[in-house]
Amino acid sequence: GNSVTQMEGPVTLSEEAFLTINCTYTATGYPSLFWYVQYPGEGLQLLLKATKADDKGSNKGFEATYRKETTSFHLEKGSVQVSDSAVYFCALILTGGGNKLTFGTGTQLKVEL
Amino acid sequence: NAGVTQTPKFRILKIGQSMTLQCTQDMNHNYMYWYRQDPGMGLKLIYYSVGAGITDKGEVPNGYNVSRSTTEDFPLRLELAAPSQTSVYFCATSLGQGGYTFGSGTRLTVV
Repeated sequence: GNSVTQMEGPVTLSEEAFLTINCTYTATGYPSLFWYVQYPGEGLQLLLKATKADDKGSNKGFEATYRKETTSFHLEKGSVQVSDSAVYFCALILTGGGNKLTFGTGTQLKVEL
Repeated sequence: NAGVTQTPKFRILKIGQSMTLQCTQDMNHNYMYWYRQDPGMGLKLIYYSVGAGITDKGEVPNGYNVSRSTTEDFPLRLELAAPSQTSVYFCATSLGQGGYTFGSGTRLTVV
């Protein structure tokens, strides 16, 4: 079946540090890939997406590249801020069958001054 | 524009009680979903709907029921609450390309 594997958290970084959160996937077919972010006490928000191999999604300084050869979609940001502290979820979707998202378990990021 | 509205935000139930979690959207999206979120487990799909009158089971449907009589509303029903249903429940909508819009969640505790 389809699955998403994320690196274990929590990840603690100092402000202005470089961020990488690893995400790999298993899918029967060619999925679209997503990163969602959840701030404390809130629902999930779409951060970025990529719909085909070699596409790069970007938003708010975050980037992720769809790597079909390594089945990966790692999230990166060059300089994190305290306001980036949240839980980040990698997810995939295969068109059809209800267009259901399959989520990873989430990675908590804490950014300190 | 309200987006996706969930009520209530918090609820404490006793074992065996029943309740309905409400979800309403004003975006005219066909697809609607119910997920539960447990610590360290990510989100698990309970039920989903591809349009009014059509619903289907997700990954963890046992103990829950849904209905979709209108495009706007997708309530989730718990008939006999159990401690294992203590969780945070999220409703989401989509146009079908993975860009989900989530509600703010309902935190349910069963004691």
